[in-house]
Amino acid sequence: QQPVQSPQAVILREGEDAVINCSSSKALYSVHWYRQKHGEAPVFLMILLKGGEQKGHEKISASFNEKKQQSSLYLTASQLSYSGTYFCGTGSGSARQLTFGSGTQLTVLP
Amino acid sequence: ETGVTQTPRHLVMGMTNKKSLKCEQHLGHNAMYWYKQSAKKPLELMFVYNFKEQTENNSVPSRFSPECPNSSHLFLHLHTLQPEDSALYLCASSQEGGWMNTEAFFGQGTRLTVV
Repeated sequence: QQPVQSPQAVILREGEDAVINCSSSKALYSVHWYRQKHGEAPVFLMILLKGGEQKGHEKISASFNEKKQQSSLYLTASQLSYSGTYFCGTGSGSARQLTFGSGTQLTVLP
Repeated sequence: ETGVTQTPRHLVMGMTNKKSLKCEQHLGHNAMYWYKQSAKKPLELMFVYNFKEQTENNSVPSRFSPECPNSSHLFLHLHTLQPEDSALYLCASSQEGGWMNTEAFFGQGTRLTVV
């Protein structure tokens, strides 16, 4: 069962904030976040492991609520370079693989 | 540049052709993966190799045949494909199989068009 991402697409102006959500119907062990720009490879952003942790680097951070089986990615003071499609991948139970969501297309305008 | 190289970047093939996709990584990783990315669909895992052994095959049709001769190279052999197989095929690698707590590095993909 793939995780559900919301919103599917978001457009914002440079300097604005955005939140992307990822939720699963299964108990989660880990959540991965990747960003893919058009025509390029998906690039790893961060991993969150169960324990309700929060991670971040620069102005991109994420939280993982194990109880609610969801994760949120926070982009603050967005830059043009943040444009791309963001994917969450969830690992659960004994699964030895990640299941990815459909992605959220983020467009940052000047 | 992520350290994972895929060739060719673009491929157009007829339904009766046989072709192969190649993936190479020099990151010292032990696990390699093939993913299919279709428009407006999530990344679909096809195959997983861990220490050269296939550990996952997600009900992929036999017209896709993977090969992993060593931990650095992964191939996807294609034959008698269908137009619906047209997609971006992504290769990835990670420290070891099971991505639970290790990051994956993706190649730029091969854009496959079946005519």
